Amino acid sequence: SQKIEQNSEALNIQEGKTATLTCNYTNYSPAYLQWYRQDPGRGPVFLLLIRENEKEKRKERLKVTFDTTLKQSLFHITASQPADSATYLCASYSTLTFGKGTMLLVSP
Amino acid sequence: NAGVTQTPKFRVLKTGQSMTLLCAQDMNHEYMYWYRQDPGMGLRLIHYSVGEGTTAKGEVPDGYNVSRLKKQNFLLGLESAAPSQTSVYFCASSYSQGEDQPQHFGDGTRLSIL
Repeated sequence: SQKIEQNSEALNIQEGKTATLTCNYTNYSPAYLQWYRQDPGRGPVFLLLIRENEKEKRKERLKVTFDTTLKQSLFHITASQPADSATYLCASYSTLTFGKGTMLLVSP
Repeated sequence: NAGVTQTPKFRVLKTGQSMTLLCAQDMNHEYMYWYRQDPGMGLRLIHYSVGEGTTAKGEVPDGYNVSRLKKQNFLLGLESAAPSQTSVYFCASSYSQGEDQPQHFGDGTRLSIL
């Protein structure tokens, strides 16, 4: 079965820097990956979707890449702000499988 | 526009008690899902529905039942609650399972089983 793996350790960065979060998958490549943001006590909120045949997708300060050779997707937040602090989840929608999420902490 | 609404937000049960969690969506979505989220485990799919009157098992269905009698509602039942079912339960919906369809989540039901 497919597994979605994210770094369980929190990522701490300074405001203004670029945050990079990693999502690795096992076995077969998902046709597309979704990224969600989850704030404490709230449900996940959809951010971006990237298809298998897309190398990169952008939305404002967000950028997602998909590398089928490395079996990996990277999620970047440029010019990070304290308001970006949250847990970010990667998901394979075709199998309805979510990663455990990575907490991002942006300090002023 | 309310989106996905979960009822109740919090609940404490004793072992062996039963209860039903309600999920309602006002977006006319066909697909609905129930997940549980536990520390260190991430979101795990319990059951899902691809339309009114249909349900299917997810990754962790044991101890739960579901019903989708109306398109806008998806109910999750615990017939005999166990401490292992202490968790945060999230309901989600999507227009379909098409590749560009995000899931819309409610804010969860925090359930403790004593």
